[in-house]
Order: sequence, then C-alpha cells, then structure tokens
Amino acid sequence: GENVEQHPSTLSVQEGDSAVIKCTYSDSASNYFPWYKQELGKGPQLIIDIRSNVGEKKDQRIAVTLNKTAKHFSLHITETQPEDSAVYFCAARKKSGADGLTFGKGTHLIIQP
Amino acid sequence: NAGVMQNPRHLVRRRGQEARLRCSPMKGHSHVYWYRQLPEEGLKFMVYLQKENIIDESGMPKERFSAEFPKEGPSILRIQQVVRGDSAAYFCASSPPGTASGYTFGSGTRLTVV
Repeated sequence: GENVEQHPSTLSVQEGDSAVIKCTYSDSASNYFPWYKQELGKGPQLIIDIRSNVGEKKDQRIAVTLNKTAKHFSLHITETQPEDSAVYFCAARKKSGADGLTFGKGTHLIIQP
Repeated sequence: NAGVMQNPRHLVRRRGQEARLRCSPMKGHSHVYWYRQLPEEGLKFMVYLQKENIIDESGMPKERFSAEFPKEGPSILRIQQVVRGDSAAYFCASSPPGTASGYTFGSGTRLTVV
C-alpha cells in the first residue's frame, strides 16, 4: 500500500519568514496530493491540493510543488503569520474517489512573534 | 450549508460498552469516509461508504468495528466492546459524487475509554 513520509515533525519560524514542509510517497500510482491544516480541537481543513499532471500550484501565500519522478511534494508558506500556527498534514491518493487518503504524520508549525 | 456534522463531540465509554459515532455529510454529498487519529499521529483511513454500500473497508479492524450509511439518516461508526486502545479522535469526511477533489472533514468525535 501507499506510505507517506512527512518532515519535519516540528517547524519553528519567525513571523514573516517562509516555511517549507516536505513529503514523500511510495506508490507511483498516486495522482492526487492534498494538504490539510488542523487547529487544536478541530477537524482537518483542506488548504491546497495538486494533481499529478501539474508541477506547481499557488494560492496567495501558499504554494505546493510536486516532483513525480522523485515522488515528493512540498508545501510552501510565505510571509508567515501567527494564525498559520497549526498542524499541517500532507496526503496522497491513488484513484479519484475510489480510495481513501494516506496521510503523513503531520508537522507542527510554530510561528514565533 | 452546515458542513459535515459529527456527534457527539466527546464520548466516554467504559471498557466493554458500545460506542456509536454519527456523521451527517454535507448537503449533496453521497460519499462518506471515516478516519481515526491517535495522539501525535496522522489520520488513518478506516472505511469509505456510499449510500447503502461499503466501498472500501480495508482500514477497518477485523473485529468489533462496523460502519453503515443507510438510505436515510447519518452514517454510523459502531465499536463494540470498547477497549482502552480505541481511545482516539474519529473523523468523518464527505465528498460529492464523481469528484476528484479533496473532501470536507467534520470536527470529529473524541472517544475516551475508561
């Protein structure tokens, strides 16, 4: 089955700096890669996603890159703000709508004021 | 649009009792997924259901756990004879039919077995 590795487990950055979270996946058949943000006591919230036919996607301060050959994808957050502090999860899925997501173990992002 | 509704938010059960977790998907969503999250861990896929059908239950423990999504009413995740190791947050997600997009999660049910 699919295996998703996520690094780092904890990331502390100064407010205004950039944060990068990296994930690798094992199954070359995976073709959909979402990123979720989870705040304390809440459910995960989709923040951005990318499909395997695209190398990069950007939404304001958030961007995701995908390297299919190396089987890794990354989340980039620029100009970090205190409200970006949360746990971020990457995930991978093989077939649209047929299989569940395989999640990484999460990155606790801490924005230092 | 109320989003994905899960109840109860918190559930305490003694060992050996049954736990029933409910999930009402977003309006127009016919696909439901259940995930379990242990402390400091990512979410683990349990089961994927459509109305009256279990599509993929590869993540469900073989014993004591069952799920349903009836024609009418919410999806139910049922855990019989709970043990301490069942203590976790259980999240439900839903998506509309025919979509290739990510789905929407509910706020979860935090199960504590004492």
